[in-house]
Amino acid sequence: DQQVKQNSPSLSVQEGRISILNCDYTNSMFDYFLWYKKYPAEGPTFLISISSIKDKNEDGRFTVFLNKSAKHLSLHIVPSQPGDSAVYFCAASAPDSWGKLQFGAGTQVVVTP
Amino acid sequence: SAVISQKPSRDICQRGTSLTIQCQVDSQVTMMFWYRQQPGQSLTLIATANQGSEATYESGFVIDKFPISRPNLTFSTLTVSNMSPEDSSIYLCSSGGQAGYTEAFFGQGTRLTVV
Repeated sequence: DQQVKQNSPSLSVQEGRISILNCDYTNSMFDYFLWYKKYPAEGPTFLISISSIKDKNEDGRFTVFLNKSAKHLSLHIVPSQPGDSAVYFCAASAPDSWGKLQFGAGTQVVVTP
Repeated sequence: SAVISQKPSRDICQRGTSLTIQCQVDSQVTMMFWYRQQPGQSLTLIATANQGSEATYESGFVIDKFPISRPNLTFSTLTVSNMSPEDSSIYLCSSGGQAGYTEAFFGQGTRLTVV
């Protein structure tokens, strides 16, 4: 049973525009959410995270929004750059399960010139 | 952040054989985990590697198939035993628990093909 869902397998965006990646979860026990970026032949690289006590976290071009009532989070990348082309994974963990991550299926982002 | 090295980075193995994957972290970490990414799929947690005791396996994964060792706070191994083509995947180790960090870090992965 997939507890973390990324329903968009791919996203194409023009360089300089905003990329919005969405993620839904079903387990209300999740209290920590992370986004990872993955290039081919490399391991996932941590991007940004958010605790369930917050609704927004920003780090440079990356902002994560959390809507607990809707069990939904999104990652905004502004402005998008060609180097952002990668697969983005949403992940979640529950209390007392730190580091044991449930991953979404991933969204392939392609940033075009 | 922690630097995690995995060896080998890729391998092609005959069915029925076993492969041991090594994971080395450049600092002592509390937690180490092993994940699998099957072709076209997401990452799935195999087990938590516990230092000095038996690993804790997730549902669907068993010690006989995926024995794990963790002799100290910087090193772990995962063995994929009696391999079949269905074991063809990317295997990744991750670590966490370093002071000041709330995220888990990943190695570059081991791409395994079983023929």
